Amino acid sequence: SYVLTQPPSVSVAPGKTARITCGGNNIGSKSVHWYQQKPGQAPVLVIYYDSDRPSGIPERFSGSNSGNTATLTISRVEAGDEADYYCQVWDSSSDHQAYVFGTGTKVTVL
Amino acid sequence: QVQLVQSGAEVKKPGASVKVSCKASGYTFTSYGISWVRQAPGQGLEWMGWISAYNGNTNYAQKLQGRVTMTTDTSTSTAYMELRSLRSDDTAVYYCARVSCSSTSCYQDYWGQGTLVTVSS
Repeated sequence: SYVLTQPPSVSVAPGKTARITCGGNNIGSKSVHWYQQKPGQAPVLVIYYDSDRPSGIPERFSGSNSGNTATLTISRVEAGDEADYYCQVWDSSSDHQAYVFGTGTKVTVL
Repeated sequence: QVQLVQSGAEVKKPGASVKVSCKASGYTFTSYGISWVRQAPGQGLEWMGWISAYNGNTNYAQKLQGRVTMTTDTSTSTAYMELRSLRSDDTAVYYCARVSCSSTSCYQDYWGQGTLVTVSS
């Protein structure tokens, strides 16, 4: 089955830029979606189709995807961005199609 | 506005079954699918499967096939997820989420509030 690997944690100072990677075999050929989850809350979609933002998501959130790595970038980080972030793809490469979530990255604002 | 409201917390014994509901509002129910995702305590997100509210077609995660059934009731815009033969490692928060698709991929754009299912003897 397809595996998505994320760093367990990323720490960033307020006002700086956080980059969260999502590694997978030839992930650049797939559409990547990103979710933010704060403690005790349901996930929220922050990026879809690699780089599109849902309405209501700040422009500070952006995404890219190429080769074996997709990246979620949070610019001008704020305290309220502290959360777990998960990438997701649709894996149609195996005989059993399925959604796959990444392992998750905890973003800590220093 | 789009809302997905799930049923309340459940406590079940090992070997029992649980059925979680997810009532949708604010959009045309049959125009989208519903995914189910669970999260064990302190763990990441695990996709369980999804159902088309249009025609009832389903796609289940391989590890849950045979134990999970997803259904919809279009008359009440409600989706259901039933998990059988519960084990302690099924203890988790269960989420439903609306599925939006293009020709190439799908994503979950709105989520329910989650339902805690505890499996304990």
